Amino acid sequence: GDSVTQMEGPVTLSEEAFLTINCTYTATGYPSLFWYVQYPGEGLQLLLKATKADDKGSNKGFEATYRKETTSFHLEKGSVQVSDSAVYFCALSAGGYQKVTFGTGTKLQVIP
Amino acid sequence: GAVVSQHPSRVICKSGTSVKIECRSLDFQATTMFWYRQFPKQSLMLMATSNEGSKATYEQGVEKDKFLINHASLTLSTLTVTSAHPEDSSFYICSATALAGLTDTQYFGPGTRLTVL
Repeated sequence: GDSVTQMEGPVTLSEEAFLTINCTYTATGYPSLFWYVQYPGEGLQLLLKATKADDKGSNKGFEATYRKETTSFHLEKGSVQVSDSAVYFCALSAGGYQKVTFGTGTKLQVIP
Repeated sequence: GAVVSQHPSRVICKSGTSVKIECRSLDFQATTMFWYRQFPKQSLMLMATSNEGSKATYEQGVEKDKFLINHASLTLSTLTVTSAHPEDSSFYICSATALAGLTDTQYFGPGTRLTVL
């Protein structure tokens, strides 16, 4: 079945540091890939998405490129801020009824 | 656009009572709504998928008689936890996909924190 593997956290970075959160996936066909962010006590917000190979999703300084050859969708940001502290979920959607498979989430803590 | 709301945001109830959680798509019509459960420091677990006007499809291991789902309109789905017990305490999150277009993006509600005493 479909699966998403994320690097384990928590990840602790200083403000303005470079961020990479690794994500790899296993799926049949050609899934869409997503990054969602969850701030403390809140639901999930879509951060970015990519629907086909080599697509780059970007939002709020975050980027991720759909790499079919390595089945990866790593999240990057050049300079993190304290306000980026949250849990980040990598996810994929494949199949006709849009079921989403989530990774386990990676907690990011940015310190001043 | 694509806002999903949930009500209530928090609920505390006694063991044995039932609790209803509402999920609404505010500015779009949702063909499909999903209900997830999230345990502390864990990922989301899909409980069921509901399509407007039809019975929900439950994931393996989820008791359909305990977690009643109703999707009566294109903007509203409800999850009722019947005869709640402390082990049902969790963060319940719904999501919805839009009717128009071929988007496969799910839009999530803010979640409902259920505590069963």
